[in-house]
Amino acid sequence: GAGVSQSPSNKVTEKGKDVELRCDPISGHTALYWYRQSLGQGLEFLIYFQGNSAPDKSGLPSDRFSAERTGGSVSTLTIQRTQQEDSAVYLCASSSGRVYEQYFGPGTRLTVT
Amino acid sequence: AQTVTQSQPEMSVQEAETVTLSCTYDTSENNYYLFWYKQPPSRQMILVIRQEAYKQQNATENRFSVNFQKAAKSFSLKISDSQLGDTAMYFCAFQRPTGFQKLVFGTGTRLLVSP
Repeated sequence: GAGVSQSPSNKVTEKGKDVELRCDPISGHTALYWYRQSLGQGLEFLIYFQGNSAPDKSGLPSDRFSAERTGGSVSTLTIQRTQQEDSAVYLCASSSGRVYEQYFGPGTRLTVT
Repeated sequence: AQTVTQSQPEMSVQEAETVTLSCTYDTSENNYYLFWYKQPPSRQMILVIRQEAYKQQNATENRFSVNFQKAAKSFSLKISDSQLGDTAMYFCAFQRPTGFQKLVFGTGTRLLVSP
């Protein structure tokens, strides 16, 4: 079946602009995660959605970052007023709700100029 | 908080040889999950192998096997008969067994397999 998909694959934006990154999880997966992969910080957790529960936003680095998950499926990560330090690869993963086996998408490379 | 340490930023191996990537972690939990993920230049993170801490037997997946030493909090990955397609970044990751399920990653080891 189809894996996790993310769009766009690459995004270049000017400092101060808002960006939206999209994630389509594997059909039927109830859990969805966002991670950020940057040169200086490695792979870091951002936010987690599980079913209809309130998301865990404990990894979001600032209030410029937000995420939604509509209808328990597609998720959008929004970064407002982008800064150069936001440049990174943003990875989305989904799982069936069990504690292991997160399946990752190909990521969105965000470059803030 | 859990931490994962990969002390080898880069490793090189020749085709058909065996290589071992190191990983140590720190946790106060007794039960948990450990993973090795592979990230080729395409950026796609691929699960290589997983280990449940309550299982004493080391996990094996074809050419990939782990040496899990719970007391030492060590979780190394052995790649046998290395292939050119094994060239990638390898990440060790930790996951708590209950409730919140985020992965905690190490900083990665870049593996280069040469002909």
